Amino acid sequence: QQQVKQSPQSLIVQKGGISIINCAYENTAFDYFPWYQQFPGKGPALLIAIRPDVSEKKEGRFTISFNKSAKQFSLHIMDSQPGDSATYFCAASMNTGFQKLVFGTGTRLLVSP
Amino acid sequence: EPEVTQTPSHQVTQMGQEVILRCVPISNHLYFYWYRQILGQKVEFLVSFYNNEISEKSEIFDDQFSVERPDGSNFTLKIRSTKLEDSAMYFCASRFDSSEQYFGPGTRLTVT
Repeated sequence: QQQVKQSPQSLIVQKGGISIINCAYENTAFDYFPWYQQFPGKGPALLIAIRPDVSEKKEGRFTISFNKSAKQFSLHIMDSQPGDSATYFCAASMNTGFQKLVFGTGTRLLVSP
Repeated sequence: EPEVTQTPSHQVTQMGQEVILRCVPISNHLYFYWYRQILGQKVEFLVSFYNNEISEKSEIFDDQFSVERPDGSNFTLKIRSTKLEDSAMYFCASRFDSSEQYFGPGTRLTVT
C-alpha cells in the first residue's frame, strides 16, 4: 500500500519531443506528489509537485497531470532537451505525520540530439 | 539560494567500523530526514527528525543507526558497526513547514 509504481524504467526521446513518465499509487491517504530530477552523482532535486485538488500543474516545459480516481499521475516534459537527460523519480507523501517521501523506482531519460 | 550540504562526499570504511555522516540542513527548516539509495535503485526513507527527536523510522533503521542534532546547524547519521550492505548513497533532506523537501548532494558510503 505504501508503494509508488513508476514506468517506464528507461526512455529515449528525440530532442524536441515529449517525454512522458507515469506513476501509480494505492494509498488514498497520499496527498502530495512531487517529481524529482537526479543527475549522476547528485542528490534528487525537486522539479515540480502537485496536490490532488488540481488535475494539472504546469511550470515551464514541465507538466504534472493528476487523475485522482485512477490514482495515477504523470510528468510530461515538452520540447525535451539533451540537458533533460537524467533520472526522474516520482514520489508521494501524506499530509499527516512527518511526511516521509515514498519514491517510485525511477525512470532514466535520455534525450538524443 | 540556501541549500542542504553534506560531508564527506565519499566515505570508505571497513566492515565493523563506525561512521558518522554529516549534514547541514537549510537554516530555518524544522524537519530533517535521512534517505538511502543503493546503487541503481530507488531512494528509500530511513528516518525523520523533528523537535530534537525521531518522529518516524523505517525497518531499515535498526539499532545500528542513530541520528543526532548536536547543535543548531548540524544533523548527523551514525552507523555503529557498518556492514557490506550499508554501502549506498545517503541523502539528507530538510523542509520548513510546507511539504517541499530539499535534498543534499549525498555521501557515498563504501564498506569494504
